[in-house]
Amino acid sequence: GESVGLHLPTLSVQEGDNSIINCAYSNSASDYFIWYKQESGKGPQFIIDIRSNMDKRQGQRVTVLLNKTVKHLSLQIAATQPGDSAVYFCAENTFSGGYNKLIFGAGTRLAVHP
Amino acid sequence: EPEVTQTPSHQVTQMGQEVILRCVPISNHLYFYWYRQILGQKVEFLVSFYNNEISEKSEIFDDQFSVERPDGSNFTLKIRSTKLEDSAMYFCASSGLAEAGEQYFGPGTRLTVT
Repeated sequence: GESVGLHLPTLSVQEGDNSIINCAYSNSASDYFIWYKQESGKGPQFIIDIRSNMDKRQGQRVTVLLNKTVKHLSLQIAATQPGDSAVYFCAENTFSGGYNKLIFGAGTRLAVHP
Repeated sequence: EPEVTQTPSHQVTQMGQEVILRCVPISNHLYFYWYRQILGQKVEFLVSFYNNEISEKSEIFDDQFSVERPDGSNFTLKIRSTKLEDSAMYFCASSGLAEAGEQYFGPGTRLTVT
């Protein structure tokens, strides 16, 4: 079946440190993954995505790594800031019948301390 | 920047009552979605909608749920007879692409069933 999950429910880091949030997925046929950030009281906000034909993709202060061999996804945030405090979800996009839907993981709360 | 909007932000209803949650997707998007998030849990896919019909729905989306695009701008989710377990945040999302692509989420409606 399809499932996307996270290893750690909470991650605490010091401001300025790098953060790494991990995610495991089980559907080996998945070919597109997205990281979303959700701040309190808000909807998920797109951070970065990666397709299965890539191993790494970089954005502004964020990097997503995909290891298809072990079905693992990670989000790296460089120089973490207080504004990065939020819950981070990995999501697996499934595309079938001409339409796509997102299957979200359980979420990791990132707490950034000054 | 265009955004998805949702109303109301918070809806309180009694068990057995009907509720309609409203969404205004981004104007040039063609694909619409509803997700829900029970407090403290992950975001769950409910339904996707395209060309005035449901394209896919999850097992959560039973006969008590329906969606409609009554005009060119609104997208609604109706729960015919609410249950206590329907209490959750309901997120609307839209995208401009059929294939894997960024879905933009609204801020959500918090539904409380008493």
